[in-house]
Amino acid sequence: AQKITQTQPGMFVQEKEAVTLDCTYDTSDQSYGLFWYKQPSSGEMIFLIYQGSYDEQNATEGRYSLNFQKARKSANLVISASQLGDSAMYFCAMSPNTNAGKSTFGDGTTLTVKP
Amino acid sequence: DGGITQSPKYLFRKEGQNVTLSCEQNLNHDAMYWYRQDPGQGLRLIYYSQIVNDFQKGDIAEGYSVSREKKESFPLTVTSAQKNPTAFYLCASRTGGGFSEQFFGPGTRLTVL
Repeated sequence: AQKITQTQPGMFVQEKEAVTLDCTYDTSDQSYGLFWYKQPSSGEMIFLIYQGSYDEQNATEGRYSLNFQKARKSANLVISASQLGDSAMYFCAMSPNTNAGKSTFGDGTTLTVKP
Repeated sequence: DGGITQSPKYLFRKEGQNVTLSCEQNLNHDAMYWYRQDPGQGLRLIYYSQIVNDFQKGDIAEGYSVSREKKESFPLTVTSAQKNPTAFYLCASRTGGGFSEQFFGPGTRLTVL
């Protein structure tokens, strides 16, 4: 069974500063993917960044980077230079590398960017 | 433009009625998923399908049913057996495998009156 834990229900960050959203996971699979999604108040889920379990380098996508520590089973999301539009709920998710790729999601972190 | 459409955006239902939520994708994805989201919580998997005419139960399938007669369509029926159906429902698809991201529809907000 897979489990995702996001321990920060809510976070605040000042505009233009960096913020780290925590995610730890538990799985017995050797091959898996880790994902971060953003959910604005409108409700749609937006894919941000992906990290494969065999990737040795941390993933980066623009202002997003994933701090992957496999031994600690953590996959924290770092957002640099926060913008007001970053205010949203953020979900960490993982999928085993099977055909179905059945995903498990965390409970999310609500990020509020202050002007 | 490729994407996933869900309809309707808002749905009201009386207790005891079945209701069907639509999900259509034109991304040519093999795998499709239905999730339920309650306020302030994460997504829970209801059903998923890897190929046409095949689907599997997720973690909270009781009170729900699905069909996958066409690759692009994966409708979800919320039956009267679902005790607490008021929630936000999201449909997703992916090209396949756990190494690809999921693409989500805009969601359907179901309210039972």
